[in-house]
Amino acid sequence: DGGITQSPKYLFRKEGQNVTLSCEQNLNHDAMYWYRQDPGQGLRLIYYSQIVNDFQKGDIAEGYSVSREKKESFPLTVTSAQKNPTAFYLCASTEPDRPREKLFFGSGTQLSVL
Amino acid sequence: AQSVTQLDSQVPVFEEAPVELRCNYSSSVSVYLFWYVQYPNQGLQLLLKYLSGSTLVESINGFEAEFNKSQTSFHLRKPSVHISDTAEYFCAVRSSGGYQKVTFGTGTKLQVIP
Repeated sequence: DGGITQSPKYLFRKEGQNVTLSCEQNLNHDAMYWYRQDPGQGLRLIYYSQIVNDFQKGDIAEGYSVSREKKESFPLTVTSAQKNPTAFYLCASTEPDRPREKLFFGSGTQLSVL
Repeated sequence: AQSVTQLDSQVPVFEEAPVELRCNYSSSVSVYLFWYVQYPNQGLQLLLKYLSGSTLVESINGFEAEFNKSQTSFHLRKPSVHISDTAEYFCAVRSSGGYQKVTFGTGTKLQVIP
């Protein structure tokens, strides 16, 4: 079955540590997104990529980095510069030139600070 | 720029009672409108969408939403809720042209009371 796989489901970060969240899709979508979800704040866009080897900052990119070396993969690194990383992180994908289409979401990664 | 407002952060309702979850949006261009549902510790799933044509759209599980252009609203309704409808609901808009950024509201938690 086609879909988006996020791993790990739960992740803990120590102070000063960088951690990487994995996102893999087999839907053959060009566009991929990372959202951060905090209670009462909805989904906020961190980074997005419309095509391989290209990505753009979203609304809250500070303290995060991404890469898009392969169409199916869009890992997110939470760096030590992100002072409040505890949140639920969601990866999504879609076709960038088909606005009528929905976003497909992974099941999320809960990141917590030790 | 576009934005989405969901005024109700939580909506408690008794089982078999009707419910309305409110969504208002603003945008300088034409948009497509979506409702997504999120069950605990999961990603978002598309519930229904408005693209064009009939202003009333329905989902397979009894929800419906009506697009009102003059009031820039896309409220979600269900005439009789079930326990299984307990979840968080997100309204979203996506521009119909250019880079189709998706903007989400802050979400409404629907709690169905037995």
